[in-house]
Amino acid sequence: AQKVTQAQTEISVVEKEDVTLDCVYETRDTTYYLFWYKQPPSGELVFLIRRNSFDEQNEISGRYSWNFQKSTSSFNFTITASQVVDSAVYFCALSEARDSNYQLIWGAGTKLIIKP
Amino acid sequence: NAGVTQTPKFQVLKTGQSMTLQCAQDMNHEYMSWYRQDPGMGLRLIHYSVGAGITDQGEVPNGYNVSRSTTEDFPLRLLSAAPSQTSVYFCASSYSLAGGPQYFGPGTRLTVT
Repeated sequence: AQKVTQAQTEISVVEKEDVTLDCVYETRDTTYYLFWYKQPPSGELVFLIRRNSFDEQNEISGRYSWNFQKSTSSFNFTITASQVVDSAVYFCALSEARDSNYQLIWGAGTKLIIKP
Repeated sequence: NAGVTQTPKFQVLKTGQSMTLQCAQDMNHEYMSWYRQDPGMGLRLIHYSVGAGITDQGEVPNGYNVSRSTTEDFPLRLLSAAPSQTSVYFCASSYSLAGGPQYFGPGTRLTVT
């Protein structure tokens, strides 16, 4: 069963629009971690944020904000006033314990295109 | 502080050839892993290591071997390359097994003909 679902395969918006990337996860663990990573066209993977399962506070970092809701098993990512440089593939990932080890389970990614 | 480095950046192999993808980190991270990224499939874990001398299989280990003789290095060996192994390979390291963010190398783009 898919554990991390990013239902939006591709999103295209015009610069300065706000955009929300959805992430829905599935886990039986009470302790887990959620992540967002960015992969720009250059190909590297950049860590953006980590959230643990006991901290449901929303986080804001500049134009980026994250909404973690355990009730709906979602960890959505919003970019306010998008810019062309935000164009990238964004991955959501879940870290949960498997056989006493933690492994990252990745969503398939959402390709975000910001048009000038 | 170079972070996570990978060599080579690009490689073309013929079916049946073997090679080693190099990965090194200078952050003294215990946890290292190898992923492959294929179009539309996100990242899939090949092998990982929780410390020197300890390795384990991930989701797609067949056709690959790893070893971890030092904390810094985690090479990935392709035993007999197949076209299905054409992919982009990423190495990553983390300071914490329990949910630490992973820091990635720049990737190796491998083509097997």
